Amino acid sequence: GESVGLHLPTLSVQEGDNSIINCAYSNSASDYFIWYKQESGKGPQFIIDIRSNMDKRQGQRVTVLLNKTVKHLSLQIAATQPGDSAVYFCAEKIAGGTSYGKLTFGQGTILTVHP
Amino acid sequence: KAGVTQTPRYLIKTRGQQVTLSCSPISGHRSVSWYQQTPGQGLQFLFEYFSETQRNKGNFPGRFSGRQFSNSRSEMNVSTLELGDSALYLCASSLVPGSNTEAFFGQGTRLTVV
Repeated sequence: GESVGLHLPTLSVQEGDNSIINCAYSNSASDYFIWYKQESGKGPQFIIDIRSNMDKRQGQRVTVLLNKTVKHLSLQIAATQPGDSAVYFCAEKIAGGTSYGKLTFGQGTILTVHP
Repeated sequence: KAGVTQTPRYLIKTRGQQVTLSCSPISGHRSVSWYQQTPGQGLQFLFEYFSETQRNKGNFPGRFSGRQFSNSRSEMNVSTLELGDSALYLCASSLVPGSNTEAFFGQGTRLTVV
């Protein structure tokens, strides 16, 4: 039968606003997390990562927060620009062991920035 | 330095055919992973190669296979193509697997099965 597409969460913001994108991860054993941005027709682009021994990490205009208690990640984008419009994915990984480099991705969030 | 290169970018195949996709990782990166991206299932892990050996495999049928060469370049093969194999196939490279280092993706190969 037909496959049903994922209904991705969407976030619409005005240019200059701050954006917060949330992600619930699945495996309490995951110890490394990455946020990716994917624009139409392109592969995922690395934005920022965080290890499980941290709860916050800042980059240029972006901040990632990790709450291991509730298995929650968030990506904050400051002063959002139209060029930030894309699908954002969180990914989790278990370093070492038999999982090796396998990344498990969230479903993604569509961010639309209006000028 | 050059990023991850995937070829071809676009491919149209007929049901029942087989296809081979290629991935050249970032210079110095020795781990290559493959992912399938579809609107219905999102991004799903296919397999990972390191030192010419498959180290991990996702939940895909045996029609999906891959290999890695001594220069770390990787290929994946899908035999007996089905309509549902239509997807964006993404390759990611990282320095070594199982470490807390980022994985960088290529642009992907868009496969359409008709």
